[in-house]
Amino acid sequence: GNSVTQMEGPVTLSEEAFLTINCTYTATGYPSLFWYVQYPGEGLQLLLKATKADDKGSNKGFEATYRKETTSFHLEKGSVQVSDSAVYFCALSGTGGGNKLTFGTGTQLKVEL
Amino acid sequence: NAGVTQTPKFQVLKTGQSMTLQCAQDMNHEYMSWYRQDPGMGLRLIHYSVGAGITDQGEVPNGYNVSRSTTEDFPLRLLSAAPSQTSVYFCASSSQGYSNQPQHFGDGTRLSIL
Repeated sequence: GNSVTQMEGPVTLSEEAFLTINCTYTATGYPSLFWYVQYPGEGLQLLLKATKADDKGSNKGFEATYRKETTSFHLEKGSVQVSDSAVYFCALSGTGGGNKLTFGTGTQLKVEL
Repeated sequence: NAGVTQTPKFQVLKTGQSMTLQCAQDMNHEYMSWYRQDPGMGLRLIHYSVGAGITDQGEVPNGYNVSRSTTEDFPLRLLSAAPSQTSVYFCASSSQGYSNQPQHFGDGTRLSIL
């Protein structure tokens, strides 16, 4: 079946540091890949997505590239801010039809001044 | 902009009690789903629906029932609550049941079973 593995947290960075959160997946066919972000006490919000190999999703300074050869979708940001503190989830969506999401376990990011 | 609305936000139940978690969306989305979030496990799919009158099981359906009588509403029922169902529950919707469509999530219901 489908699975997503992402780096464990918590990750603590200083403001303006470079961020990488690793995500790899296992799936048959060509899944769509997503990063969702969860701020404290809130639901998940879509951060970015990529729907085919070599696509780059980007939003709010965050980027991730769909790498089929390494089955990866690593999240990066060049300069993090305190407001980026949240939990980040990597997810993939159904190669077998439908829109069922398979999530990683989440990575908590804390950015300090 | 309401989006996906879940009620209640918090609930405490005793083992064996039943309750319904409500979910409503105002975006005319066909696809709706329920997930539970547990520490160290990410989110897991409980049930989903591709349209009114159509539901199906996800990864962890045992102990939960759903129905979809309207496009807008997708309630989740716990028939006999167990401590293992203590979790945060999220409802989500998307415009179509295709894999490239992002899902919109509610703010969650935090449920504790004593």
